[in-house]
Amino acid sequence: QSALTQPHSVSGSPGQSVTVSCTGSSSDVGGYNWVSWYQQHPGKAPKLVIYDVNRRPSGVPDRFSGSKSGNTASLIISGLQAEDEADYYCCSYTATYTLVFGPGTKVTVL
Amino acid sequence: EVQLVESGGGLVQPGGSLRLSCEGSGFGFRHYAIHWVRQAPGKGLEYVSTISSAGNFTNYANSVKGRFSISRDNSKNTVFLQMGSVRPEDGALYYCVRMSGSHFDLWGQGTVVTVSS
Repeated sequence: QSALTQPHSVSGSPGQSVTVSCTGSSSDVGGYNWVSWYQQHPGKAPKLVIYDVNRRPSGVPDRFSGSKSGNTASLIISGLQAEDEADYYCCSYTATYTLVFGPGTKVTVL
Repeated sequence: EVQLVESGGGLVQPGGSLRLSCEGSGFGFRHYAIHWVRQAPGKGLEYVSTISSAGNFTNYANSVKGRFSISRDNSKNTVFLQMGSVRPEDGALYYCVRMSGSHFDLWGQGTVVTVSS
């Protein structure tokens, strides 16, 4: 059982925006700005798309952005494209010096 | 090429042991903390274990604490995960992952562990 909660799935049409939420507690998401997001296509290793809540690694399109309010972090994908269809996992540092992943959200491009 | 390559996966009986290895190349391996993250078939990602760059700090998920042990040999650019008292729920694809600051910035392709009698 994950300590973080994410919606099972979200969907949008090409060009639309979708938001994936990640809710934790003051012992993880709310207590640290060390929230990251990973994209995983079927059969592939995860790929970092957002770190430190809202920072984007080089090479990741600027349609990916992140934010946080209280115990909830969010991944926003603007201008949704077909290749964005994947599973997305949030991850947070915790008060016990470990990391915890959310259960994952399937993003579907309609 | 900057990469992490896992090995050592395979079939293990419940209660048995297995040692996974993770070799890094193309970067200053000894400067990075390394983690193991696993993914059961059709399931999500699960944090397993951490070792600091010098090997003097380790940590484990509650689900493996007392059964798994992480270590590293920086002279060989390798991290090990010794799995013991293996349970069926330990069956998964095990990823070796580099941590840069607060996040995982480099993932291996994984090695599969199957637990079955």
